[in-house]
Amino acid sequence: DAMVIQNPRYQVTQFGKPVTLSCSQTLNHNVMYWYQQKSSQAPKLLFHYYDKDFNNEADTPDNFQSRRPNTSFCFLDIRSPGLGDAAMYLCATSRTVDRGGDEQFFGPGTRLTVL
Amino acid sequence: GQSLEQPSEVTAVEGAIVQINCTYQTSGFYGLSWYQQHDGGAPTFLSYNALDGLEETGRFSSFLSRSDSYGYLLLQELQMKDSASYFCAVRGDNYGQNFVFGPGTRLSVLP
Repeated sequence: DAMVIQNPRYQVTQFGKPVTLSCSQTLNHNVMYWYQQKSSQAPKLLFHYYDKDFNNEADTPDNFQSRRPNTSFCFLDIRSPGLGDAAMYLCATSRTVDRGGDEQFFGPGTRLTVL
Repeated sequence: GQSLEQPSEVTAVEGAIVQINCTYQTSGFYGLSWYQQHDGGAPTFLSYNALDGLEETGRFSSFLSRSDSYGYLLLQELQMKDSASYFCAVRGDNYGQNFVFGPGTRLSVLP
């Protein structure tokens, strides 16, 4: 089955220690998104790639970076995690970003704990 | 910028019909989506409205009025498994590349 895979499902890191979360997709979609979701809150878009074009949300901290080496993979790098970065990180894909392609497919998420 | 409003909680009984409203403010508008998220799970897509009117998919329907900046999700024949959080989301600004979720409505379905 075509899907969105996130690894690891649970990640524990120490305050200030860089961490990388990964996402892969077998849907061959053009767009890949990274969201942060804190408890009882809505997912918040951090950034997305449309093919190789990177689009950063205006309020995404510089501490968060992303890489998309190919169509299938996308990484979220947190350079110096703080306690406030503990959250669920969701990866999603969509075929496109125009009005005809708004369905996003989400991975199961990576729950990040910062000690 | 973009902002959305939804009721925080809704409670209904099995078999009932419930409507979850969403109002939005955005400087650009490409469409309104609805997502369902069960506790501990990932959001799953329910519907998308780009034009005014009603879209029906099984027990779920979604409505959009662009002139009123308003939409709703209608859930019929409620089942216990429909207990979840429901988010509206707007694709707007920056030629539709900005995507913002509403705060979410927690639906509890009682037996």
